[in-house]
Amino acid sequence: TQLLEQSPQFLSIQEGENLTVYCNSSSVFSSLQWYRQEPGEGPVLLVTVVTGGEVKKLKRLTFQFGDARKDSSLHITAAQPGDTGLYLCAGARDSSYKLIFGSGTRLLVRP
Amino acid sequence: NAGVMQNPRHLVRRRGQEARLRCSPMKGHSHVYWYRQLPEEGLKFMVYLQKENIIDESGMPKERFSAEFPKEGPSILRIQQVVRGDSAAYFCASSPFPGQGQANYGYTFGSGTRLTVV
Repeated sequence: TQLLEQSPQFLSIQEGENLTVYCNSSSVFSSLQWYRQEPGEGPVLLVTVVTGGEVKKLKRLTFQFGDARKDSSLHITAAQPGDTGLYLCAGARDSSYKLIFGSGTRLLVRP
Repeated sequence: NAGVMQNPRHLVRRRGQEARLRCSPMKGHSHVYWYRQLPEEGLKFMVYLQKENIIDESGMPKERFSAEFPKEGPSILRIQQVVRGDSAAYFCASSPFPGQGQANYGYTFGSGTRLTVV
């Protein structure tokens, strides 16, 4: 059972375009995190959101946690080739230490 | 301040051999979490250890897999009699406090060990 569904699975866009990646679930999470993973490396934490409706910005990246804490989105403005990578969302239920990961969105930004 | 260190980065084993993966947590951290990432998938929780204690091994296969975190030295994930299906990237993360609630702050992962079984 995949508790966290990410969409799209693959995304190839031109430099300068905007994009949104979605992370959806039917379950409530106490927190949700976004990671970026490059080939041959471990996931690197981008942001953690814990409050329903919360919006966090990290330069050109905007993260939102759904009001019901069941879903999240990552929006990238004016994508650059350096944004290329695998974006993973991960949720924790009932403040558990155990993270449940989505299967990822693989982003390619073409120069 | 070194991050989470994992070694080896790459490990090739023949079917039936043993694989030993090491994880040195961040300085001052006494809690370690192991995750496995199969090709084209997200990470899946395997085990949570505290120094000299296994707290939660619910994600670990019942056979051939074991983990330890001794008082001194790194945490070890051991896979006996490896099979092709064990080929994956294995990551660990660490935290300074007991795990409950730690996920709300996010984790720092090591660079992983990529195990290939031939």
